[in-house]
Amino acid sequence: ETGVTQSPTHLIKTRGQQVTLRCSSQSGHNTVSWYQQALGQGPQFIFQYYREEENGRGNFPPRFSGLQFPNYSSELNVNALELDDSALYLCASSPRGQGNYGYTFGSGTRLTVV
Amino acid sequence: SQQGEEDPQALSIQEGENATMNCSYKTSINNLQWYRQNSGRGLVHLILIRSNEREKHSGRLRVTLDTSKKSSSLLITASRAADTASYFCATVNAGNNRKLIWGLGTSLGVNP
Repeated sequence: ETGVTQSPTHLIKTRGQQVTLRCSSQSGHNTVSWYQQALGQGPQFIFQYYREEENGRGNFPPRFSGLQFPNYSSELNVNALELDDSALYLCASSPRGQGNYGYTFGSGTRLTVV
Repeated sequence: SQQGEEDPQALSIQEGENATMNCSYKTSINNLQWYRQNSGRGLVHLILIRSNEREKHSGRLRVTLDTSKKSSSLLITASRAADTASYFCATVNAGNNRKLIWGLGTSLGVNP
């Protein structure tokens, strides 16, 4: 059984650019959630995907968008990057579409916007 | 928005001692989960306690939940240097079970 894998591990982008982060969910998990974690803070919920559709969204602007593919892997896209987007981006997968189970997290992508 | 607070923000103990961390939250919950994070990397799920449970054990971990006080505690017994990490509580709120709402975490240092 494989865990959640995220790529890339680290990324440096310039303000105004666009970025795509990738996540492969754990085998058997059909729900993927994305979180943003600023330094010294707890994670903030960005959105969740279940069966290829957005299933809930946090307080993030539309320039944060995502996709889920038939194999349940997912992408997080951020357009028009801002300096405050610098953070650790975490992907989590879980079985089913509800939060009644513990989530399996990937190791995250560290995004630095300069 | 953060759900609540962990207390203390930082804790330093000697190997073999017990570590207790507390978590408070604001709304009615479906369940509360504890996670560990090493060096700002991925989060590892430790234990989940449902709103109708009061205590749960897993190895050296003991979690309690008091829904009347909207609080939870995590006890790590006989701590080891490898337990050094940040510990977060996260809640799944009643009526919105699609996301985890997190506290700010407790940074635990275990000295050998």
